[in-house]
Amino acid sequence: GAGVSQSPSNKVTEKGKDVELRCDPISGHTALYWYRQSLGQGLEFLIYFQGNSAPDKSGLPSDRFSAERTGGSVSTLTIQRTQQEDSAVYLCASSSDQLRAETQYFGPGTRLLVL
Amino acid sequence: DQQVKQNSPSLSVQEGRISILNCDYTNSMFDYFLWYKKYPAEGPTFLISISSIKDKNEDGRFTVFLNKSAKHLSLHIVPSQPGDSAVYFCAASSLYNQGGKLIFGQGTELSVKP
Repeated sequence: GAGVSQSPSNKVTEKGKDVELRCDPISGHTALYWYRQSLGQGLEFLIYFQGNSAPDKSGLPSDRFSAERTGGSVSTLTIQRTQQEDSAVYLCASSSDQLRAETQYFGPGTRLLVL
Repeated sequence: DQQVKQNSPSLSVQEGRISILNCDYTNSMFDYFLWYKKYPAEGPTFLISISSIKDKNEDGRFTVFLNKSAKHLSLHIVPSQPGDSAVYFCAASSLYNQGGKLIFGQGTELSVKP
């Protein structure tokens, strides 16, 4: 079956522009996570959605970052007024079981470069 | 603050030998630990995990050891194969408090030479 997909795979933008990154989770997965990996760093948790509950936004680095999940499926991560330090690989993961961390299936990521 | 640390950015081993990847953590609330493997241009894939109530978990060539008193875990791969060459991430979770979100280390790039 289809795994987690993300688009675009690569995005180059100019400083100050807004970007939207999309994640299509595995069908039926109720939990969805966004992480990012900056150069030389580990994966950093950003935000987590579980069903219809309020998302856990504790990892968002600033109020320029926001995410939504429509209809409990597709998610969009939006970065407003991008800065060069936002350059990273943004990874999305989905899971059918929020209590078992190994069931998080990751997408291939979106590589964002802010010039 | 870096709650999960992998202090070795890279490791090179000979095919057939043992690979040992190390990970340290600081948060005593973590109760579940995982290793993920990542190839270039792909997302991480789950490799092996261990609960804090255990000190060892084995799956084929992969064994994870947990030393809670030292807040240290390690991944042993034996025998190492060239296909094991990838970046390995250690991750930790507090399953019942944080909804399964993962805190990752910086990764260790393993190179297995034929």
